[in-house]
Amino acid sequence: ETGVTQSPTHLIKTRGQQVTLRCSSQSGHNTVSWYQQALGQGPQFIFQYYREEENGRGNFPPRFSGLQFPNYSSELNVNALELDDSALYLCASSQPGGVTEAFFGQGTRLTVV
Amino acid sequence: DAKTTQPPSMDCAEGRAANLPCNHSTISGNEYVYWYRQIHSQGPQYIIHGLKNNETNEMASLIITEDRKSSTLILPHATLRDTAVYYCIVRVLGTNAGKSTFGDGTTLTVKP
Repeated sequence: ETGVTQSPTHLIKTRGQQVTLRCSSQSGHNTVSWYQQALGQGPQFIFQYYREEENGRGNFPPRFSGLQFPNYSSELNVNALELDDSALYLCASSQPGGVTEAFFGQGTRLTVV
Repeated sequence: DAKTTQPPSMDCAEGRAANLPCNHSTISGNEYVYWYRQIHSQGPQYIIHGLKNNETNEMASLIITEDRKSSTLILPHATLRDTAVYYCIVRVLGTNAGKSTFGDGTTLTVKP
């Protein structure tokens, strides 16, 4: 097991609602990345936070936003949920520079109905 | 990051070697090959990486062709617990490990 924890593990929301997912990074890791994984597909990079600032973003609309806190934990917020947002959301923590590999959490399974 | 191509699925008998291929014909000279796996309902797990020499660790071996356009991940004695989706990724070493581009991977099923 990695030291990356995510909460909640499962969540059901209604279309149009907003959701907040949480991630605690591995000890010593100051960079947190978020991924969306649709069923049967590989993880897709959403964005990354380093020192509380966004440090790169994938091809996701602005209704996907995030925060990183001084203790390096992070939140992913999704507004105006759509049915296609149903997916496994993964958090990965790492050190900048990529010398060590990223460690992934178990993910949050979001279902939008 | 260079694009990779993997077969969608493979089977392997328990105890036999599992050889998972990956094509990365557009790889650049400073890009490394990384392998991850994802067991059902868990986050991806790093396995191994290499540049041009063959690499081995406690989990697997990585064989990279001389022209670096393809590689093979070898699980020498596959067990049922090795059933997972295996992802091949290419990335410049030193770039942020958190920003990886995953394809759809290969689903390896190890059968008794």
